[in-house]
Formats: sequence, structure tokens, C-alpha cells
Amino acid sequence: QKEVEQNSGPLSVPEGAIASLNCTYSDRGSQSFFWYRQYSGKSPELIMSIYSNGDKEDGRFTAQLNKASQYVSLLIRDSQPSDSATYLCAVKLAGYSTLTFGKGTMLLVSP
Amino acid sequence: GAGVSQSPSNKVTEKGKDVELRCDPISGHTALYWYRQRLGQGLEFLIYFQGNSAPDKSGLPSDRFSAERTGESVSTLTIQRTQQEDSAVYLCASSQDQFYEQYFGPGTRLTVT
Repeated sequence: QKEVEQNSGPLSVPEGAIASLNCTYSDRGSQSFFWYRQYSGKSPELIMSIYSNGDKEDGRFTAQLNKASQYVSLLIRDSQPSDSATYLCAVKLAGYSTLTFGKGTMLLVSP
Repeated sequence: GAGVSQSPSNKVTEKGKDVELRCDPISGHTALYWYRQRLGQGLEFLIYFQGNSAPDKSGLPSDRFSAERTGESVSTLTIQRTQQEDSAVYLCASSQDQFYEQYFGPGTRLTVT
């Protein structure tokens, strides 16, 4: 059974803090991992992709992948109110032709 | 370059009518996906096209739903005899192939009255 799980939240952090968003997946053979941001009433927007174990940094965003633990996370440094959105984790599970999306974690950044 | 485009952006239809939703993928992207997102819910995969291969229709919820794609260009999602539970945002995405990032269009908001 294919599963990508995220805490639905909301995760509330003050402005300037680090927001940590987590995602676990069921398939050890998974190959590609993505984080999307979705503002209310808008379509998902790709933030990060990560394919190998370790950290990948892009500006204020860092994606972390641990395939042994089947865990991928997204850190947002210096969180801004404009980061308030739902963050979707997506995984290319082995044997499936499409991405499997988690249900998303809502992030609220308070000024 | 141009992103994924979808039309119409909004569609209101009466129960029982047929609707067609259009998606124009990013040029050069061989893979095209349709998803449905009901209000407050996650993304629900509907159908996937990869080049000239047979589409993966495993997510289509009923035989009222169908989709076509000509080559690596425009795709049309058709919903026949619409029901109120079909009300949702229909999202299209494209990617270079199944292993790469998917880029989403703005979606079509379908309301069935």
C-alpha cells in the first residue's frame, strides 16, 4: 500500500523562527522526493526536489532526506508570514508511474 | 518560458451536463497528469500520459471520466453526466518524464449545481 504521511497541522511558528515540516513514506525503494507549497485557492508550486540522502539547500529552504528511515523533511529558516501555506510532500514510489502526495501540513507564521 | 495553462479557469454547469477541461503542458514535457482536489482535501490522481504509451487511467473514479492527449501536446479531460460530487478544482501538471518535477497549471474550478 502506497503511503505518504504528513502531520496535518497547523504548525504555528513566530516570524523569524525555523519551521520544520516532516514527511514519512512507506516504500523503501522510493526514488524522488519533492516539496510543494500551496497557498489557499492556488495550485501547488514546486519548492524543492531531492534525490539522494543528505541535505539540499536553496535560499531559506533546506530539504533533508534519510532513505534508511524513510523520512524527508523541509526546514524553512527565518520564517515569514508570506510562508503561511500548506506544504505538500510528494514521493515517486518504486513501481508507480506517478507521484504520491501527502495530504499536506498547514504552516502559520505569525508576525 | 510559458508554464502549464488550463482553461477555463472556472466552470459552472448543471447536474447531468457534460464538461470538457483543457490542459496545455510546458513545451517539451512528455508526461502529463490530471488531479482532482476537493475543497479542503488532498490531491487525488486521475490519469497520467507519458509520450505515446498507453495512459495510466487507474485513478479515474468512474466511467463518466475520460481524457485524451494527442502526442505530447494538449490534453482534454471530459466528465459526462456531471454530478454534484464532481465539484472540485481540476489540476493539470506536466514534467520532463515520470522521474522529474511536476509543474502545475492554475487549475479549473468546476461547480456542478
